[in-house]
Amino acid sequence: AQSVTQLGSHVSVSEGALVLLRCNYSSSVPPYLFWYVQYPNQGLQLLLKYTTGATLVKGINGFEAEFKKSETSFHLTKPSAHMSDAAEYFCAVSDKYNFNKFYFGSGTKLNVKP
Amino acid sequence: DGGITQSPKYLFRKEGQNVTLSCEQNLNHDAMYWYRQDPGQGLRLIYYSQIVNDFQKGDIAEGYSVSREKKESFPLTVTSAQKNPTAFYLCASSIRLAGLGDTQYFGPGTRLTVL
Repeated sequence: AQSVTQLGSHVSVSEGALVLLRCNYSSSVPPYLFWYVQYPNQGLQLLLKYTTGATLVKGINGFEAEFKKSETSFHLTKPSAHMSDAAEYFCAVSDKYNFNKFYFGSGTKLNVKP
Repeated sequence: DGGITQSPKYLFRKEGQNVTLSCEQNLNHDAMYWYRQDPGQGLRLIYYSQIVNDFQKGDIAEGYSVSREKKESFPLTVTSAQKNPTAFYLCASSIRLAGLGDTQYFGPGTRLTVL
């Protein structure tokens, strides 16, 4: 089974600062990769996904993520944090040979300070 | 509007009672899922269904049951056998694109509290 590790259960940044949320996966075969965002008491919303092709993926709300095969990483970044970015972020991977099986990280709560 | 609806948003249950959580989607997705979310533990898969009248156990199926009689609907029953049912429950559905795998989309969730 695959595993997904999100380094840092809580990250705090100032408004306007760079956001960097880390995600590493365990598979030797590059999986499909996702980032989701969850606001309090709501479902998960898809931010972006990587399936194939260009390794830098742009998503909604100014977020982007870069797939690095050599580092088995898929870190999420945003150049300038906004107060509305405060939420919990989940990294997920999908097995290329078992599409229905998703593996989620334990989540990173992003706090944005004014 | 296409999407996934879950009802109710909040549900309270007495110990020993069975309760059923509703999940409906009008996205024409084939696969549907139920996850349980507890603080600091991410999402854990309860059951999933790839087609009507078929479903498979996930990682934590004990104490739960599901049915898939219609493509649009995938209700989850939390039985009295589930020892610690208080949690946030998320339903999802997925679409498969050729060569691009599945992408899961989520409903707004149901928060179940056992009194």
